[in-house]
Amino acid sequence: EVQLVESGGGLVQPGRSLRLSCAASGLTIDDYAMHWVRQVPGKGLEWVSGISWNSGSRGYADSVKGRFTISRDNAKNSLYLQMNSLRAEDTALYYCAKGLYSGYDGYDAFDIWGQGTMVTVSS
Amino acid sequence: AIQLTQSPSSLSASVGDRVTITCRASQDITSALAWYQQKPGKVPKLLIYDASSLERGVPSRFSGSGSGTDFTLTISSLQPEDFATYYCQQFNNYPHTFGPGTKVDIK
Repeated sequence: EVQLVESGGGLVQPGRSLRLSCAASGLTIDDYAMHWVRQVPGKGLEWVSGISWNSGSRGYADSVKGRFTISRDNAKNSLYLQMNSLRAEDTALYYCAKGLYSGYDGYDAFDIWGQGTMVTVSS
Repeated sequence: AIQLTQSPSSLSASVGDRVTITCRASQDITSALAWYQQKPGKVPKLLIYDASSLERGVPSRFSGSGSGTDFTLTISSLQPEDFATYYCQQFNNYPHTFGPGTKVDIK
């Protein structure tokens, strides 16, 4: 079964850090751009960050730029999101998602999504 | 960042109705637009990519059109399983952005 499985979420105090992981199974992600998207329960989708297949290109939402870092380890078939200086407004369900086209830099739609991992930032 | 607006924000429709949702970008995004469907408690599902290409496995009653700044998602004959929230997304530039969503519910 093709799937993306996120982990690493939890309850964290404001100002602290958290690292999310996304492990792919049933597919190899090394040829595809990967992204993080978040969603406050009951609200809309917010794109957070994306990384090209070879890590040569990365992008961030203005709301997380300078605080979050996206990375990937193609040998481990995994994607990561290092989140520093967390704020209450970062509380959300975080999804990882795979880019549609092989060899793209991240400028394509997302065809496979994980189930998400919940991050709660609160004292 | 490119802003996306969707209209309407919600609509009520009956099974069999033709439904049209529009998405407008704050600047030209060529055809770099996707549409997703999300049901409560579920993961978003890709319906349309590159503005008008139907994702594999998606019923043909879904179609997309447009380019530049104005885009449309059409459901030709609404089915019970189509009641959901629909989001447009631009991937022409970083940061990628999503529209605020259009909730389609039962009249």
